[in-house]
Amino acid sequence: ELKVEQNPLFLSMQEGKNYTIYCNYSTTSDRLYWYRQDPGKSLESLFVLLSNGAVKQEGRLMASLDTKARLSTLHITAAVHDLSATYFCAVDGGDDKIIFGKGTRLHILP
Amino acid sequence: DTGVSQNPRHKITKRGQNVTFRCDPISEHNRLYWYRQTLGQGPEFLTYFQNEAQLEKSRLLSDRFSAERPKGSFSTLEIQRTEQGDSAMYLCASSRVEQFFGPGTRLTVL
Repeated sequence: ELKVEQNPLFLSMQEGKNYTIYCNYSTTSDRLYWYRQDPGKSLESLFVLLSNGAVKQEGRLMASLDTKARLSTLHITAAVHDLSATYFCAVDGGDDKIIFGKGTRLHILP
Repeated sequence: DTGVSQNPRHKITKRGQNVTFRCDPISEHNRLYWYRQTLGQGPEFLTYFQNEAQLEKSRLLSDRFSAERPKGSFSTLEIQRTEQGDSAMYLCASSRVEQFFGPGTRLTVL
């Protein structure tokens, strides 16, 4: 059974600091996703990573994928308050069925 | 393209009542998915359709749950004899390649 583990689950950080969220998954998969969710809202797609060594960047967020280690990271550079949200890592479980981690609740302090 | 829409956005019901939710996918998306998200957790896969065919159902989908996609366009998810444990956000997503999520229906069972 495919499992996705994120850490940390909660993260409180100061504006301007850098930090990394880690995502491990248990079996091989074709795709890895990162989503953002604001309280009471639906999921916003941030990144889709398809191959080993893939790196994608959007603003202050950068995601990478190491398929051999079954590890993805989401790196936050010089955090700003607007990035406060819950970030989910998810992996394609076959037939495009997505298996999600529990999420990392990020709180950025001014 | 107006995105995935879901109705109602909120539903409060008494235990034992039946409820039905509707999802309208992005037009021409042949795959449609239902997920359930409880507080503090990531979304969990429930079922998915390719066109009008329901191809997979999760073990989470008890006999009280039924989903349809009669003409391969919109889908409905019905929960019969609701229980308090059914309280959750029910998310719909559609895809041709990448999944796009709707705003969700928040169900509260009293």
